[in-house]
Amino acid sequence: GAGVSQSPSNKVTEKGKDVELRCDPISGHTALYWYRQRLGQGLEFLIYFQGNSAPDKSGLPSDRFSAERTGESVSTLTIQRTQQEDSAVYLCASSLDPTGYSNQPQHFGDGTRLSIL
Amino acid sequence: GQNIDQPTEMTATEGAIVQINCTYQTSGFNGLFWYQQHAGEAPTFLSYNVLDGLEEKGRFSSFLSRSKGYSYLLLKELQMKDSASYLCAVRAAYSGAGSYQLTFGKGTKLSVIP
Repeated sequence: GAGVSQSPSNKVTEKGKDVELRCDPISGHTALYWYRQRLGQGLEFLIYFQGNSAPDKSGLPSDRFSAERTGESVSTLTIQRTQQEDSAVYLCASSLDPTGYSNQPQHFGDGTRLSIL
Repeated sequence: GQNIDQPTEMTATEGAIVQINCTYQTSGFNGLFWYQQHAGEAPTFLSYNVLDGLEEKGRFSSFLSRSKGYSYLLLKELQMKDSASYLCAVRAAYSGAGSYQLTFGKGTKLSVIP
């Protein structure tokens, strides 16, 4: 598609359940990023994928969070045993390869609004 | 650690000029981005600065001073549709873990009034 696509747009689940969020990046973008945006807070980096390199997981807040990406296509972010503090908007972004040029902007999807009851 | 500060809210009049400031303290510096985010929508890229000085793009300009850890976004001829949050983000590292992530400020909510 023309832009970054995320699904679902909204997710409400009970505490303790697992959730899976999906991101479909812009075609041709080798880099993919996940961020979390809590109410009233700035975007927090979670994880970064670039091509076939090992992902940068330095932003994942706990081992309940994991993400996968198949090649240079779709990525899924999984949160296990969800807690109320996980409630946030989860944003995915993609870009052209940033390793050569630092000015490659990240293009964001509309996000998944996750609410944990 | 990384710290990026922006004013929480600003109000300006349609047709006027507004300047949104951003100060940062990061462990390194490899570029500063400004994004616009309308409520419930994706952030959209506005500008990029890596060298000192002013970058102009239509009604929007962005300035950077690396020695002062300071940037501003200047919006001219304000329109009602410019009402949005403006996010300042820094790419802090050159290489290694965390090189390509952006560290974001909390955003400045701009309200344009008639």
